[in-house]
Amino acid sequence: SAVISQKPSRDICQRGTSLTIQCQVDSQVTMMFWYRQQPGQSLTLIATANQGSEATYESGFVIDKFPISRPNLTFSTLTVSNMSPEDSSIYLCSVEWIKGYEDTQYFGPGTRLTVL
Amino acid sequence: GQQVMQIPQYQHVQEGEDFTTYCNSSTTLSNIQWYKQRPGGHPVFLIQLVKSGEVKKQKRLTFQFGEAKKNSSLHITATQTTDVGTYFCAGPRGNTPLVFGKGTRLSVIA
Repeated sequence: SAVISQKPSRDICQRGTSLTIQCQVDSQVTMMFWYRQQPGQSLTLIATANQGSEATYESGFVIDKFPISRPNLTFSTLTVSNMSPEDSSIYLCSVEWIKGYEDTQYFGPGTRLTVL
Repeated sequence: GQQVMQIPQYQHVQEGEDFTTYCNSSTTLSNIQWYKQRPGGHPVFLIQLVKSGEVKKQKRLTFQFGEAKKNSSLHITATQTTDVGTYFCAGPRGNTPLVFGKGTRLSVIA
């Protein structure tokens, strides 16, 4: 399995500012994903980040609001731009992990964001 | 688009009782995955089911994939306090690798 770390683990930010979340994996992976999870709710995929190409965004999420970088096979960042209180959530990165016939995802510990 | 529905939303059981959560998709799934998220934690992969009618067991957990590959269930026998958490099913939708159900939050009363 993959070991994934995220920074920061939590932050409290002011409205209108931006926050960049980092995701580091201990092994090279092709696909990384960014999710948002409201407290007590399910996970919603924001975008898929592949190294060497533009991120693919899901419906309702745009690059101007959530720019993503994927400079190499072990690292990615998600920026939450021009934040508002509605952006308060837990942001999770995950990686695709293929082992034999299993194609699954492993998740990082998450970043808890509060926007005031 | 494809929806992944999960019931019940909440389940409270006495320790030692059994627990089942159900997952239904509006379309056929190539595979279905189950994840567990402890309170304050992140989702942890439990299992992936691929074959029609497949049944897999992990100790007290039994996972089933329906014959039509549109539904799945997770059954826990004799729940323990360590089973507390939210159980999510998830399946692929088009180019989206995983679409998660809303989850079933399990509480176990000792």
